[in-house]
Amino acid sequence: SQKIEQNSEALNIQEGKTATLTCNYTNYSPAYLQWYRQDPGRGPVFLLLIRENEKEKRKERLKVTFDTTLKQSLFHITASQPADSATYLCALLDYGQNFVFGPGTRLSVLP
Amino acid sequence: EAEVAQSPRYKITEKSQAVAFWCDPISGHATLYWYRQILGQGPELLVQFQDESVVDDSQLPKDRFSAERLKGVDSTLKIQPAELGDSAMYLCASSSLIGSNSYEQYFGPGTRLTVT
Repeated sequence: SQKIEQNSEALNIQEGKTATLTCNYTNYSPAYLQWYRQDPGRGPVFLLLIRENEKEKRKERLKVTFDTTLKQSLFHITASQPADSATYLCALLDYGQNFVFGPGTRLSVLP
Repeated sequence: EAEVAQSPRYKITEKSQAVAFWCDPISGHATLYWYRQILGQGPELLVQFQDESVVDDSQLPKDRFSAERLKGVDSTLKIQPAELGDSAMYLCASSSLIGSNSYEQYFGPGTRLTVT
């Protein structure tokens, strides 16, 4: 069956460091992979999309990589700030425009 | 900036009662999604509409859940009867997939349901 895993339930890092979150999937062939941010008690907010034929995508302090051979995406936040503390969700999208979300990783950036 | 509206924000109901949630997507968005999110987990798709038609309701527990989008604009999700295990956040999202480069989903604030 299809399965999406995100590296850990929670990740704590020091302010100024780079946070790296992992999204792994099995039994799935996504056309696209998205990352969302979710704050407590609120709906997710879209951050980035990367296509299956793209290796890397950047947006300001964010960087996403996508390795379809390893079936893995890495999400990096450089120069992390306490305001980056949130839950980050990966979502896979196939050509049928069907979305599947991962369980999320709760990131805490400590001052 | 346009937003997805949901109501109510919070709902407490007793098991076996009926409950309904409402969603108004961003104007012009043809695709509407209802998700259920249990605390500590990712959103789980319940139903997806394209205009007024259901395109995916494979994960919707049809014995107790129903969803409609009669005029292809706003939508209602109903649970009858509610069970204790239905306690969760119910999220509505909309998207304009046609011509989109990002397939971004815009989420509403959600309805937090507690079944007692």
